[in-house]
Amino acid sequence: DAKTTQPTSMDCAEGRAANLPCNHSTISGNEYVYWYRQIHSQGPQYIIHGLKNNETNEMASLIITEDRKSSTLILPHATLRDTAVYYCIVREENNDMRFGAGTRLTVKP
Amino acid sequence: GAVVSQHPSWVICKSGTSVKIECRSLDFQATTMFWYRQFPKQSLMLMATSNEGSKATYEQGVEKDKFLINHASLTLSTLTVTSAHPEDSSFYICSARALAYSYEQYFGPGTRLTVT
Repeated sequence: DAKTTQPTSMDCAEGRAANLPCNHSTISGNEYVYWYRQIHSQGPQYIIHGLKNNETNEMASLIITEDRKSSTLILPHATLRDTAVYYCIVREENNDMRFGAGTRLTVKP
Repeated sequence: GAVVSQHPSWVICKSGTSVKIECRSLDFQATTMFWYRQFPKQSLMLMATSNEGSKATYEQGVEKDKFLINHASLTLSTLTVTSAHPEDSSFYICSARALAYSYEQYFGPGTRLTVT
């Protein structure tokens, strides 16, 4: 009963924007969309989260559709160090984080 | 702020022995701590959730007598893998959550356990 669907893998050229999609068609009104990434053999790293509005921070931008059924994580200028598995998670504020399979992003020179 | 550490970062133990992994919230008090397990090329799987001073709540399929969790203080949780076997070899990751940080979850760097 996965709450999110992400492509298994994606490639991106270094210096270009990486756009990672996530479908969460069953999201409820009080569930947030979170993005984490995991570089090989490390713990997950928080990237960004949002509820309804688009969000931007120093790492990335999060675009959430108006119906909230999907979102896109944008890394504006991907570098080789952005190669990682990216996880899109939906959860209510006090609930635990449960991870799906994620998207393996490979940034190529 | 909001740093979570784990110790050790990697450990090798013999089959049948027990190994303890520590998880500490370094600059905040964690009301809840979580333990995850990750096998190679797989995603993180939640093993258990623990609140300070309470017994841990284990996910279905996780043996509570094998994976002992102690959350003795607001900054320390331990996971003890008892009578470890090679199939317990995995990457164990803890996470901590605090009211002071609006219940956001912060993750440790993980502990690589290899059972020989």
